[in-house]
Amino acid sequence: DAKTTQPNSMESNEEEPVHLPCNHSTISGTDYIHWYRQLPSQGPEYVIHGLTSNVNNRMASLAIAEDRKSSTLILHRATLRDAAVYYCILRVPTGANNLFFGTGTRLTVIP
Amino acid sequence: DAGVIQSPRHEVTEMGQEVTLRCKPISGHDYLFWYRQTMMRGLELLIYFNNNVPIDDSGMPEDRFSAKMPNASFSTLKIQPSEPRDSAVYFCASSLVGPPANTGELFFGEGSRLTVL
Repeated sequence: DAKTTQPNSMESNEEEPVHLPCNHSTISGTDYIHWYRQLPSQGPEYVIHGLTSNVNNRMASLAIAEDRKSSTLILHRATLRDAAVYYCILRVPTGANNLFFGTGTRLTVIP
Repeated sequence: DAGVIQSPRHEVTEMGQEVTLRCKPISGHDYLFWYRQTMMRGLELLIYFNNNVPIDDSGMPEDRFSAKMPNASFSTLKIQPSEPRDSAVYFCASSLVGPPANTGELFFGEGSRLTVL
């Protein structure tokens, strides 16, 4: 099963950019990289996903390494509402347990 | 759209009792997932359905757990009999695109917090 590795926790000051790293050295060529976040007492919510090229949306940017063995979720200006657990996930093309959620990174935003 | 709706939000029951958790996916979504979240094991996929048919239930912990999807707008997860170790938050999620294309985002409900005494 393709797995991801993320730091357990990170801190950021409010209004500053945040770079959340993820290692996925066993990624296969057809795996998509997805990011979700889970706010306190809520279900996870989709943030962004990509395959090879960097991606931008209204929530964040996703930078994918050229060898695809790592990626970085970028929040351009952290707000207090961005405090959450961020999960980096690989969606494998086939088989069971299609979404493997690891332990994620708990982001604390300091006012 | 109201999003994925789960009920009950909280359930406290005694060991040995039957527990039924309910989920209404987003209209038009053809994939439905049940997850369980605990501090020890994180978020685990239990089972998922495509067009009301169970596709993969390999994550279901044991025979005490069962899930059904009688129609496109309703699914249940049943635990019988319940045990204290089943205490967790159970999430339902739905998606327009599921395996094997794997590009679609999952929409999660707010979860059902189960406590088995």
